[in-house]
Amino acid sequence: NAGVMQNPRHLVRRRGQEARLRCSPMKGHSHVYWYRQLPEEGLKFMVYLQKENIIDESGMPKERFSAEFPKEGPSILRIQQVVRGDSAAYFCASSPTYTSYEQYFGPGTRLTVT
Amino acid sequence: DAKTTQPNSMESNEEEPVHLPCNHSTISGTDYIHWYRQLPSQGPEYVIHGLTSNVNNRMASLAIAEDRKSSTLILHRATLRDAAVYYCILRDISNNDMRFGAGTRLTVKP
Repeated sequence: NAGVMQNPRHLVRRRGQEARLRCSPMKGHSHVYWYRQLPEEGLKFMVYLQKENIIDESGMPKERFSAEFPKEGPSILRIQQVVRGDSAAYFCASSPTYTSYEQYFGPGTRLTVT
Repeated sequence: DAKTTQPNSMESNEEEPVHLPCNHSTISGTDYIHWYRQLPSQGPEYVIHGLTSNVNNRMASLAIAEDRKSSTLILHRATLRDAAVYYCILRDISNNDMRFGAGTRLTVKP
């Protein structure tokens, strides 16, 4: 059973460009979570999605950030008009059910904004 | 959200036990105590969780104080591969997101 996959692993964008980060959850998992980790800090929750629904986006910045988890395909975290402060590692996690105790994390996407 | 307090860093010698403390004085009755660890350049990895009773699994043991205001993650024999940042997290069963703090950076010396 393949683990959570994220791509790309490294992404470089110039200020003002768009960044698209993809997350494929583990097989059978319908719950996806996105976290951001700034250098030398802990992870910060961003958004929790189920298939086709955003359940909790309380950690998402109000502007430029959006997330989706379509019926088919991976979950996408989109950052429009990136700024240097968006440089961070973005981790996705998945779980099989709402009440699952364990979240399985992907290897992360390291975004660098130049 | 209830907060946790952990030491910034700890050191251990290889093959010795390690006790990683966590204070959570504002824990509520429905908060589970979770521990994750993050190895360098990797995503976090689940270690263990508990509610009231002490818990053991193949990776570690979790000792929970009787009043639940603190807990300790115990690695019985530290190896070099256990060097990581260890996060203690409180998670209400009704919420599926987890709020990570700064964690404890564990260094294991050979």
